[in-house]
Amino acid sequence: DIVMTQSPDSLAVSLGERATINCKSSQSVLYSSNNKNYLAWYQQKRGQPPKLIISWASTRESGVPDRFSGSGSGTDFTLIISSLQAEDVAVYYCQQYYTTPYTFGQGTKLEIK
Amino acid sequence: EVQLVEAGGDLVQPGGSLRLSCAASGFTFSSEAMTWVRQAPGKGLEWVSDISGSGAGTYYADSVRGRFTISRDISKNTLFLQMNSLRAEDTAIYYCAKLREQGLALLDYWGRGTLVTVSS
Repeated sequence: DIVMTQSPDSLAVSLGERATINCKSSQSVLYSSNNKNYLAWYQQKRGQPPKLIISWASTRESGVPDRFSGSGSGTDFTLIISSLQAEDVAVYYCQQYYTTPYTFGQGTKLEIK
Repeated sequence: EVQLVEAGGDLVQPGGSLRLSCAASGFTFSSEAMTWVRQAPGKGLEWVSDISGSGAGTYYADSVRGRFTISRDISKNTLFLQMNSLRAEDTAIYYCAKLREQGLALLDYWGRGTLVTVSS
């Protein structure tokens, strides 16, 4: 199984400041035939289901603010929120969809400092 | 508008059974692969099972294989999860979600979930 490890487990950032969440996979999720990373990010606000915010490691979903960006390739990935807003408080999960079993990171809880 | 509404969660004793359902609307249900993902209280996400649009293909996590059965009724636009031999560790919110496309495990729509509690 591909193990997804996020860091940190929790993070407190001031409003307007940058938040950085890391995700590392135990094996590469880069598919060589199409040069795509099978890595997604989800946002889960309290009491709500997860919401897909980034696919293919760096493609923002429709309607997701451009302060959210994803980067990385192979085994190391990053989600950045460039200027934290109050509505961004949530738990963020990375997920690999490269192979079964599809696995998620343990989550990173993002709070306001 | 895509809507997924789960039902059937309940308190059940260890060894018992439960059937979850997920009513889908706003898209062509027969064309889309679907999945069940669960989240234990205060914990992360676990992919439980998925099924192809036709229903011919299914996948189960090792933790539930042989105990859970996923199915779908295309005439009723409903997804099911039959859960047998339930254990305490099956306690979780169970979400149904739609895959973006067959064979691509990106979950672009989620229901609000239904809570299953396994306890004596």
